[in-house]
Amino acid sequence: KAGVTQTPRYLIKTRGQQVTLSCSPISGHRSVSWYQQTPGQGLQFLFEYFSETQRNKGNFPGRFSGRQFSNSRSEMNVSTLELGDSALYLCASSSAGGMNTGELFFGEGSRLTVL
Amino acid sequence: DQQVKQNSPSLSVQEGRISILNCDYTNSMFDYFLWYKKYPAEGPTFLISISSIKDKNEDGRFTVFLNKSAKHLSLHIVPSQPGDSAVYFCAASPSANQAGTALIFGKGTTLSVSS
Repeated sequence: KAGVTQTPRYLIKTRGQQVTLSCSPISGHRSVSWYQQTPGQGLQFLFEYFSETQRNKGNFPGRFSGRQFSNSRSEMNVSTLELGDSALYLCASSSAGGMNTGELFFGEGSRLTVL
Repeated sequence: DQQVKQNSPSLSVQEGRISILNCDYTNSMFDYFLWYKKYPAEGPTFLISISSIKDKNEDGRFTVFLNKSAKHLSLHIVPSQPGDSAVYFCAASPSANQAGTALIFGKGTTLSVSS
């Protein structure tokens, strides 16, 4: 069974640009969550999508957005990039429907560097 | 304000000995806790979880203890092996019955097991 796939793995952008990251969940998983990992803050929850609807949202500015498609694939977008957006962005999928079991399957992440 | 705290950034243990990783939380609404392990250049992988209705959960060499009154949990690894060297994240969920997978993570503890 293929795992969670994230693309691109590495990317470099400059301040003010925007970026789109992609995530393909494990087949059959309908929930996709996004997390930001930075050395100082650990993993911070961005948002979660289930059946194309945003179900939960973390405490990030509106520059961070996402969506989920009918095949459960998800994208996140960061507009007007700032230096502080440099981080590892992790996508995780879950088979959880209405129950929050918390067992997430993470991808390897997309490493974003903002110059 | 950090709701899940891992106060030890690093821990060094000899092979065969016990590793004890600690985690404290502040939100009494948390009732489901998880531990994830992360190797460099890989996404976190689920290790073990515990519901607040229990005070102990075992899975092979890994045991998680929960002390609700102290808002403290710990992960014991016995015996420790060099392959256990990784970053360990403690995570909490508001409710095992709540839809969504918005986990709150600690900043992680880097475990080094020497042979």
